[in-house]
Amino acid sequence: EAQVTQNPRYLITVTGKKLTVTCSQNMNHEYMSWYRQDPGLGLRQIYYSMNVEVTDKGDVPEGYKVSRKEKRNFPLILESPSPNQTSLYFCASSFLPGRGTGELFFGEGSRLTVL
Amino acid sequence: SQQGEEDPQALSIQEGENATMNCSYKTSINNLQWYRQNSGRGLVHLILIRSNEREKHSGRLRVTLDTSKKSSSLLITASRAADTASYFCATDALIDSSYKLIFGSGTRLLVRP
Repeated sequence: EAQVTQNPRYLITVTGKKLTVTCSQNMNHEYMSWYRQDPGLGLRQIYYSMNVEVTDKGDVPEGYKVSRKEKRNFPLILESPSPNQTSLYFCASSFLPGRGTGELFFGEGSRLTVL
Repeated sequence: SQQGEEDPQALSIQEGENATMNCSYKTSINNLQWYRQNSGRGLVHLILIRSNEREKHSGRLRVTLDTSKKSSSLLITASRAADTASYFCATDALIDSSYKLIFGSGTRLLVRP
């Protein structure tokens, strides 16, 4: 089954404790992206990757890191989480059409609370 | 800044009625996509309409695109309680030499049984 898998789905942590949210897709997609969703602010892009070893900042990259060592995986790293990073996080992936972006496939989300 | 803005923010209708949601955007686009999100779940792609298309259908969904007005609409016909969800438009625009998909803030649809 084609899917994007995120882990963990729920996490409560404390300020400053490094954490990683994993994302894996089984559709051989070139493009992967992380979003955060907050009430009243919609979906905002954190980082994206066009292919292996190619990553770029989205609209809200501060406080986050990513890596793309393999095509299927795109982990999101919070080196020193702070309460303002409490949010619902989504990983998404797609093929890259010749021009523009394609249909995004989303994971089920990771709800992170930073105390 | 938000490229796509949905209207209305919330919509409540009776089962069987049609639901119309609108999306306006600011810059030229390559395509416009509509997504659905059940509460707290991942977004699911509904339909993609390219900038050279004016209308597209998928089951009970009908999407129109007016590039001169920079707007799109999503029509759900004969709505069902299971259509209750948030609906987002996403515009694929060329920004800083690369295409980016930017989401609006969504329309919350409630279909009353």
